Amino acid sequence: DIQMTQSPSSMSASLGDRVTITCRASQDIGNYLSWFQQKPGKSPRRMIYGATNLAAGVPSRFSGSRSGSDYSLTISSLESEDMAIYYCLQSIQYPWTFGGGTKLELK
Amino acid sequence: EVQLVETGGGLVQPGRSLKLSCVASGFTFNNYWMSWTRQAPGKGLEWVASITNSGGSTYYPDSVKGRFTISRDNAQNTLYLQMNSLRSEDTATYYCTREGPFAYWGQGTLVTVSS
Repeated sequence: DIQMTQSPSSMSASLGDRVTITCRASQDIGNYLSWFQQKPGKSPRRMIYGATNLAAGVPSRFSGSRSGSDYSLTISSLESEDMAIYYCLQSIQYPWTFGGGTKLELK
Repeated sequence: EVQLVETGGGLVQPGRSLKLSCVASGFTFNNYWMSWTRQAPGKGLEWVASITNSGGSTYYPDSVKGRFTISRDNAQNTLYLQMNSLRSEDTATYYCTREGPFAYWGQGTLVTVSS
């Protein structure tokens, strides 16, 4: 199975900060990487697909990038509504696997 | 507007069965693969099952293979998850998702396996 190692598991940041969350894949997954945001008591929401493509309706301060087997989700200027747990997902090979999640809190 | 509405969750004893349903609307159901994903209380996300748009092929992780069955009725725009031999570790909120991948999620239905 492909392991997705997500870091950090939690972090705190201030409004306006640039924030980066990373997932490392244990095998080549190409660009079959998505990012999801989940707020308390809500269903997850897809933010990024294909490693770099912004999903419909997602603010442009969110972006995705890839460097080798490392995939990153960046928020260019943190807003209060961005406080949530973020998950990555690889969908190139079954079983599809999620990262462990990153809890983003306000400092 | 895409909508996915799950039903069928509840409290069930270990070893028993439960069947979840997901009614889809707002898109052409038979054009899309569909999946189920779950989340144990306070834990992360786990993919549970996927089915092709025709229903001809299905996929599962080892944790549920042989116990869970995903199916669909394209005439009724409905996705199903038959869960047999339930265990305490199957306790979770189960989400119906549309492929893209996971472009849309339902609100989830809670399954609690306990005696």
